[in-house]
Amino acid sequence: DIQMTQSPSSLSASVGDTVTITCRASQGISNFLAWFQQKPGKAPKSLIYAASSLQSGVPSKFSGSASRIDFTLTISNLQPEDSATYYCQQYDSYPITFGQGTRLEIK
Amino acid sequence: EVQLVESGGVVVQPGGSLRLSCAASGFKFDEFTMHWVRQPPGKGLEWVSLISWGSDYRHYGDSVKGRFTISRDNKKNSLELQMNSLTTEDTGLYYCVRGDGYILTDWGQGTLVTVSS
Repeated sequence: DIQMTQSPSSLSASVGDTVTITCRASQGISNFLAWFQQKPGKAPKSLIYAASSLQSGVPSKFSGSASRIDFTLTISNLQPEDSATYYCQQYDSYPITFGQGTRLEIK
Repeated sequence: EVQLVESGGVVVQPGGSLRLSCAASGFKFDEFTMHWVRQPPGKGLEWVSLISWGSDYRHYGDSVKGRFTISRDNKKNSLELQMNSLTTEDTGLYYCVRGDGYILTDWGQGTLVTVSS
């Protein structure tokens, strides 16, 4: 199975900051990588697919990039509503696997 | 508007069985792959299973293979998950998710399964 390792596991940032979350795959997955946002008590929301393509309706403050087995999610101009846990997920091969999540706190 | 409403989550004893359902609306159900994803309390997401639009292929996560069966009824716009030989490790919130192929796009609110004696 492909392991997805996210870092950091948690981070704290201020309103207006830009943060980057990293996800590393245990083997090559091309660009078959998605990102999700989950707020407490809510279902996950799909943000990005194919490593860098925004899902419909997702604001451009979210962006994704890829470099071989390393993927990043960047969130700019942080606002209080961006406080959530973010997950990466590979869909290159079965079983589909998720990273362990990164908890983002807005100070 | 895409709507996915899960049901069937209850408290069940270890070794028991349970059948989850998902009622879909707001889109042409028979054109989309569907998935189940689960989340143990306070933990991360785990992909469980997917079924193609025509039920031609189905795939399962390692931890549920041989115990869970995914199915769909395109005439009723419904997705189901039959879960057998349940263990405490199967406790969690089960989400029904619409897929664009393997890409997860729209999520339901989940139904809670608790396996406990």
